[in-house]
Amino acid sequence: DARVTQTPRHKVTEMGQEVTMRCQPILGHNTVFWYRQTMMQGLELLAYFRNRAPLDDSGMPKDRFSAEMPDATLATLKIQPSEPRDSAVYFCASGGRTGRAQYFGAGTRLSVL
Amino acid sequence: GEDVEQSLFLSVREGDSSVINCTYTDSSSTYLYWYKQEPGAGLQLLTYIFSNMDMKQDQRLTVLLNKKDKHLSLRIADTQTGDSAIYFCAESGGNDMRFGAGTRLTVKP
Repeated sequence: DARVTQTPRHKVTEMGQEVTMRCQPILGHNTVFWYRQTMMQGLELLAYFRNRAPLDDSGMPKDRFSAEMPDATLATLKIQPSEPRDSAVYFCASGGRTGRAQYFGAGTRLSVL
Repeated sequence: GEDVEQSLFLSVREGDSSVINCTYTDSSSTYLYWYKQEPGAGLQLLTYIFSNMDMKQDQRLTVLLNKKDKHLSLRIADTQTGDSAIYFCAESGGNDMRFGAGTRLTVKP
């Protein structure tokens, strides 16, 4: 059963702490996307990778957010330092080919106090 | 920039048909998608249609595409309470995908 796996599912932290979210894309998929979902802003694209190379991270606050793919089976999204306004659900999605369907993980619900 | 728009809410009675509408602006869109999001879950791909098609049917789901008007719709026949969720329209023509804000479908018994 191929699926995108995200960890942790929930994270509660204090303002100023570092947060790392992990994503394991579907095996064989070569595109990985990070989204943030909030009630106010809806679904926002933060960054995406193709063949592990970052293609676009213009949606991401560069001063505190960073996204990497250390290898083809792992994508990470880090926030340092975290702020209360970062509280949201962060989704990872992977896709097999450019422009084709994206498959979403269950998300990481982040609460920054 | 390119936009994808959908109405925010739809309420139907169990057993009725639901029609969720979406408009998009990017004429180079290649694929158009419908995703379903249930509470506490990620987006689940329901169906997609290639831009050279005008209709696709999959069990209770029918997707209609009017490429001239850039209008996409999702019809759910015999809507059930389990269909209550947020439905996202999305389009892609290149590297990334653009999503609508989602339509919250409420099914009343």
